[in-house]
Amino acid sequence: AQSVTQPDIHITVSEGASLELRCNYSYGATPYLFWYVQSPGQGLQLLLKYFSGDTLVQGIKGFEAEFKRSQSSFNLRKPSVHWSDAAEYFCAVGPSGGYNKLIFGAGTRLAVHP
Amino acid sequence: SAVISQKPSRDICQRGTSLTIQCQVDSQVTMMFWYRQQPGQSLTLIATANQGSEATYESGFVIDKFPISRPNLTFSTLTVSNMSPEDSSIYLCSVEDGGQHYNEQFFGPGTRLTVL
Repeated sequence: AQSVTQPDIHITVSEGASLELRCNYSYGATPYLFWYVQSPGQGLQLLLKYFSGDTLVQGIKGFEAEFKRSQSSFNLRKPSVHWSDAAEYFCAVGPSGGYNKLIFGAGTRLAVHP
Repeated sequence: SAVISQKPSRDICQRGTSLTIQCQVDSQVTMMFWYRQQPGQSLTLIATANQGSEATYESGFVIDKFPISRPNLTFSTLTVSNMSPEDSSIYLCSVEDGGQHYNEQFFGPGTRLTVL
């Protein structure tokens, strides 16, 4: 069955610290992979995506993610977290080609301490 | 990227009533999607709405409960029918933009529904 697992429900980091949010997926073929961020009371904003090619992808707001096929992972990273990064982060997968029916992980809520 | 608006942004409704949520896009798009986000949960796809055809519903969602219209390439509505407290959720529409954003989905701000 197709699924996305985000093992960490809550993460708290100090401002300026590095961040890594984990995402593992189960999919029948090489999927398209996405990270979205949802700030309180807001819709979802696309941070970055992986379709093919370079397995390290850069996104907005200083985020990056690395696709590791052997580990079925697509972890999100940021070298230095800002207080404004506090939000909920969702990893999602979709089928390569065709229309994009997304399957979302449960989300990781990030808190940032000053 | 497409800019998406939803109306209403939030509503409080009584059990047994229905609410229609509107999704407006500032450009023509082929694919529109409706998601539900229950409190503290992730997003679950309700249905896919293509202009000129019947919506395609995911397992666990039926047309009688969540009728969808897609009259043109910039607009869609989702109705939550005969509501119960279990329908309290955020409902989001999204679009697949196409062009340079092929296979990317952009989301509206959501409609926060509370059913009493």
